[in-house]
Amino acid sequence: DSGVTQTPKHLITATGQRVTLRCSPRSGDLSVYWYQQSLDQGLQFLIQYYNGEERAKGNILERFSAQQFPDLHSELNLSSLELGDSALYFCASSVFTSGKETQYFGPGTRLLVL
Amino acid sequence: GDSVTQMEGPVTLSEEAFLTINCTYTATGYPSLFWYVQYPGEGLQLLLKATKADDKGSNKGFEATYRKETTSFHLEKGSVQVSDSAVYFCALSPPFPGNTGKLIFGQGTTLQVKP
Repeated sequence: DSGVTQTPKHLITATGQRVTLRCSPRSGDLSVYWYQQSLDQGLQFLIQYYNGEERAKGNILERFSAQQFPDLHSELNLSSLELGDSALYFCASSVFTSGKETQYFGPGTRLLVL
Repeated sequence: GDSVTQMEGPVTLSEEAFLTINCTYTATGYPSLFWYVQYPGEGLQLLLKATKADDKGSNKGFEATYRKETTSFHLEKGSVQVSDSAVYFCALSPPFPGNTGKLIFGQGTTLQVKP
């Protein structure tokens, strides 16, 4: 158990809908990363938040957005869903040791768009 | 840009065989290097890491050495078990400054261990 929690574990929805994925980082971790794992694209970085502020964006679609709240949990919002958005979505939180960062991943949310 | 290349799978071995999964990377400076493992139906678990050249990461019988001269971080285990069957991901985190710590992953290598 990494200490990172994600809900829900599974999500089935229809095209055009909107969903929200939730992530709670490990206690004390300020950084949250979101990744998408799909068969064709592999594991790709989407977005990072640090202590409530967006720090970096990766290959995140404009239909997707995220935020990090004062209690440090984060939500990833996916809207106008398409079939191709079906994937496993991971969040990770990170810890620094001797100036080096290590990320610990949650169990993921498996999204199926029908 | 920075990238990670892993050997193609699946890799199929008999129990107690020696395992090597090759990983090479392209990056400027000295990235941190990681191996993550994904068991069937589960999330990503950190297996081991190395943060500077010649460092050896190890965990659960797995080892990998950070080789700057060959830009490699090959994963090895002396004697695999059926329970090691999983997908293994090599990843790098670009060095500071100027990066976010985001991980860049290889495509993953599936390991199947037969009894």
